[in-house]
Amino acid sequence: DSGVTQTPKHLITATGQRVTLRCSPRSGDLSVYWYQQSLDQGLQFLIQYYNGEERAKGNILERFSAQQFPDLHSELNLSSLELGDSALYFCASSVVDTGSGANVLTFGAGSRLTVL
Amino acid sequence: AQKVTQAQTEISVVEKEDVTLDCVYETRDTTYYLFWYKQPPSGELVFLIRRNSFDEQNEISGRYSWNFQKSTSSFNFTITASQVVDSAVYFCALRSIQGAQKLVFGQGTRLTINP
Repeated sequence: DSGVTQTPKHLITATGQRVTLRCSPRSGDLSVYWYQQSLDQGLQFLIQYYNGEERAKGNILERFSAQQFPDLHSELNLSSLELGDSALYFCASSVVDTGSGANVLTFGAGSRLTVL
Repeated sequence: AQKVTQAQTEISVVEKEDVTLDCVYETRDTTYYLFWYKQPPSGELVFLIRRNSFDEQNEISGRYSWNFQKSTSSFNFTITASQVVDSAVYFCALRSIQGAQKLVFGQGTRLTINP
């Protein structure tokens, strides 16, 4: 168990629908990252939040949005779903390594979204 | 722009063989970090190692070893005496200390260890 909790583990929905994926970071981690893993695109960075504020944006579609709440959990909202949105969505949280200054991202188990 | 290339899409070896997974990266930054993650069939991403750009010492952890060569922008991963449990997809990733500090992943190498 990595300490990063993602729900739901699996989700099947239809095109045009909207879903919300939830992530609870490791205790004490302030940063949350969302990644999408698909067969054709690989692992793509979507967005990062730090202590409630958006810190960086990657290849996130306008139909997707995210937020981080005061309790530090995060939600990724996917709307007007298309077949191509079927993917494994990972949440990660970061640990600050005071020795080197680098953050190691700890990933959750992922939420597998299937759009039919 | 940052880029990570794992040219080997799939590798299949017999148990107990040694296997090396290649990783080549591109970055203009002078300070950056390199990572390897493992994704077993269960799907989660498991952190294996982090290396900073100033530390070119090779690292060994049990049957795993990593060879970082800045001159060739490579960060290769070797598994010695492979085991069936090593079967997974392995990802190499790059992260700058500047800007967004996002992890940029390679496409991954699917490693299959056959009994």
